Amino acid sequence: GAVVSQHPSRVICKSGTSVKIECRSLDFQATTMFWYRQFPKQSLMLMATSNEGSKATYEQGVEKDKFLINHASLTLSTLTVTSAHPEDSSFYICSASFRGVEAFFGQGTRLTVV
Amino acid sequence: EDQVTQSPEALRLQEGESSSLNCSYTVSGLRGLFWYRQDPGKGPEFLFTLYSAGEEKEKERLKATLTKKESFLHITAPKPEDSATYLCAVQAIGSGTYKYIFGTGTRLKVLA
Repeated sequence: GAVVSQHPSRVICKSGTSVKIECRSLDFQATTMFWYRQFPKQSLMLMATSNEGSKATYEQGVEKDKFLINHASLTLSTLTVTSAHPEDSSFYICSASFRGVEAFFGQGTRLTVV
Repeated sequence: EDQVTQSPEALRLQEGESSSLNCSYTVSGLRGLFWYRQDPGKGPEFLFTLYSAGEEKEKERLKATLTKKESFLHITAPKPEDSATYLCAVQAIGSGTYKYIFGTGTRLKVLA
């Protein structure tokens, strides 16, 4: 399958700071990228969908000013958690798709806000 | 409303004991049904895509089948390394954003 690289795999930050997570498709052009959040022993909760070169579409209840998504190229999307607080601690996962066919996932990022 | 339900929630098997995982779905029009495997602390790993009723796909000890209402993931003679959470997702026709709807997964534990 295609390779999607997500970085960093783990990050610890202080409350009030911002954290950027990168998602790269290494061997294909990702026209669509998805960002998910996953709580322990629960399924993936879609946060937003982004198409290259356009603004992200956020799911209901997801604060767009807090979770900034940029999809500037066909191989890179970033999620920035702004002014992070302990309740933002979670496992964040990106996935990438070429024209809506199979989506391939990154390794995930464990964010801990202290 | 589009919905995906997976059962059972958790499953314990002895090594070599074959079984099936179920994914029931309700969707306005199915564009594709996807199976993923997820290990703890990792992102989901793509397994299969099924597009139409009657379609089957196989990979090693896994076989996925699809009907108009559900999909099964059959595991034949499982090994301990097959232990993981198996996720099912559907993509609806007309979903302009190609959004995936995930089930809550089946946590499989295979005992040696």
